[in-house]
Amino acid sequence: AQSVSQHNHHVILSEAASLELGCNYSYGGTVNLFWYVQYPGQHLQLLLKYFSGDPLVKGIKGFEAEFIKSKFSFNLRKPSVQWSDTAEYFCAVNSGGSYIPTFGRGTSLIVHP
Amino acid sequence: ETGVTQTPRHLVMGMTNKKSLKCEQHLGHNAMYWYKQSAKKPLELMFVYNFKEQTENNSVPSRFSPECPNSSHLFLHLHTLQPEDSALYLCASSQGLGLAFFGQGTRLTVV
Repeated sequence: AQSVSQHNHHVILSEAASLELGCNYSYGGTVNLFWYVQYPGQHLQLLLKYFSGDPLVKGIKGFEAEFIKSKFSFNLRKPSVQWSDTAEYFCAVNSGGSYIPTFGRGTSLIVHP
Repeated sequence: ETGVTQTPRHLVMGMTNKKSLKCEQHLGHNAMYWYKQSAKKPLELMFVYNFKEQTENNSVPSRFSPECPNSSHLFLHLHTLQPEDSALYLCASSQGLGLAFFGQGTRLTVV
């Protein structure tokens, strides 16, 4: 069964700092990869997704993620975070043969103004 | 607004109560999911329905009973829950490829 690991459970940054959140998955075949964000008191929403093509994916709000197949990774990055980026971030993966995503345990990001 | 609506948003119930959570989507999606989100744990997939048929039951206790009367509606019937069942219950829907849209969740507290 596939699994998803998010190494950073809690991240605290100051505004304008750069962000990188790690995500690794265990499945060796074709995968679809996602990052979801959950702002305080709000629903989970999709930040970005990778299905195929350019492994560097641009998402909303200045986020991007890079799929590195050899490392089974899909790390999320943002060059300069804002206070409004304070949220929980979830990496999710589904293997090519399944439409059901498996989620990591999430990373809580706090950005101090 | 994601197109996936969950009611109620908050629910407090006793261990002997019976209640139901409702999820509705009008996105034309064919798959609907129940997830449980507990503090400090990954999102746990509970049930999946694809074209109204249950395709996944992730070892969920029988005190949780799903119902999918049509492809737009999904229920989670609750009875004789335990305090450790207190969590955020999330409904999601998708049209293949795992690209799921989530509702805002029902915050359940079992007392």
